[in-house]
Amino acid sequence: IVLTQSPGTLSLSPGERATLSCRANQPINNNCLAWYQQKPGQPPRLLISDASNRATGIPDRFSGSGTGTDFTLTISSLEPEDFAVYYCQRHGRSPHYVFGQGTKLEI
Amino acid sequence: QLQMQESGPGLVKPSEALSLTCSVSGGSFSSTSHYWAWIRQPPGKGLEWIGSIYYSGSTYYSPVLKSRISILIDTSKTQFSLQLSSLTVADTAIYYCVRAGRTYYGDFWGHNGFDVWGRGTVVTVSS
Repeated sequence: IVLTQSPGTLSLSPGERATLSCRANQPINNNCLAWYQQKPGQPPRLLISDASNRATGIPDRFSGSGTGTDFTLTISSLEPEDFAVYYCQRHGRSPHYVFGQGTKLEI
Repeated sequence: QLQMQESGPGLVKPSEALSLTCSVSGGSFSSTSHYWAWIRQPPGKGLEWIGSIYYSGSTYYSPVLKSRISILIDTSKTQFSLQLSSLTVADTAIYYCVRAGRTYYGDFWGHNGFDVWGRGTVVTVSS
């Protein structure tokens, strides 16, 4: 499975809505798709798993949706701390736990 | 709160082997609800899953790296380790040890998201 994220870079302002896309080259069963946020010098942080389940402590402005081959991460109203790189990742059945190439969300 | 800490050499020569250890504290290590994994990130690039291990010792390896890796677990020490052989400069990366959820998806047990990460250790392959 190959995951392709778009856009590569997204330039927005605080308060705006962000929509990030992750497309798989074949269907992802059971909607086993996760999203991560990574800031410079830090490890990634899990935001969403199973396409739409927010991880513990993740604000509700983050939401995930999608099924099959097309998945979306939406940030409803950007906060200054949301500007980072976002990765999608297939989980579920081993051993193909691939990541997308990332989307950089910049101010 | 669960904490994970990687340890190992920062510099390794080409063709040699890398050995990293992850020490886990503050939570249940022999849990039926989790896998323990290694993920790496080359400088300025994206993330690559290397492999995972269950507390029982069952392993799951990336097909790309399978011929060069071995992951072991020591539940008495709450540690797991990564051995990566035949290193090249392409193996230069930050190596993270990570916890993954374990979920039943109807007809199989599989990984859920990677929910706890170590801070990572930088490994440079250079002569």
